Amino acid sequence: DAKTTQPPSMDCAEGRAANLPCNHSTISGNEYVYWYRQIHSQGPQYIIHGLKNNETNEMASLIITEDRKSSTLILPHATLRDTAVYYCIVRTGANSKLTFGKGITLSVRP
Amino acid sequence: DGGITQSPKYLFRKEGQNVTLSCEQNLNHDAMYWYRQDPGQGLRLIYYSQIVNDFQKGDIAEGYSVSREKKESFPLTVTSAQKNPTAFYLCASSIGDILYGYTFGSGTRLTVV
Repeated sequence: DAKTTQPPSMDCAEGRAANLPCNHSTISGNEYVYWYRQIHSQGPQYIIHGLKNNETNEMASLIITEDRKSSTLILPHATLRDTAVYYCIVRTGANSKLTFGKGITLSVRP
Repeated sequence: DGGITQSPKYLFRKEGQNVTLSCEQNLNHDAMYWYRQDPGQGLRLIYYSQIVNDFQKGDIAEGYSVSREKKESFPLTVTSAQKNPTAFYLCASSIGDILYGYTFGSGTRLTVV
């Protein structure tokens, strides 16, 4: 599976959009981009995943560049409860395990 | 409600003792996984199982053992051979076609003194 690079941390103001970047320059054609988040001392929670097209669900939007070498997770209206570590993962489909790096720590300030 | 349950939430053991961490899921998921997390670090895969009675080593299997006798259960034993067992342990499960992602338990924090 391709490796990902995320900045170690970022912050944003409550109510504003949080844009979390991820680089995956070695991604191959059949690898999906997944995002999970982990609130302190809890298990990670699935947020969203995508292959080529942008995706949106009730939690977030995922924007994948046309060359697929990077992506951005967007939390449209960040709240204090969104403070967590966010993991960007790329992997192939069936029978491929998830590998979690250190992620990016998002701090939402009042 | 369907989910994945890890117990206990906190566990203390003396050095040299084996300890078993429980993981049960009622999601009817085929695959189950054990991860270890150290402070400020990502998750590292210990063992995983894609079907009953079968499991494979992950990246850091030394000093750990697992069994998968039932679809719902995937217990992890931390043996005395594990040099640094104090950590946060997370269990996860997924449908066979894992495009839909993993469901994680709430974790067990193991402290060995």
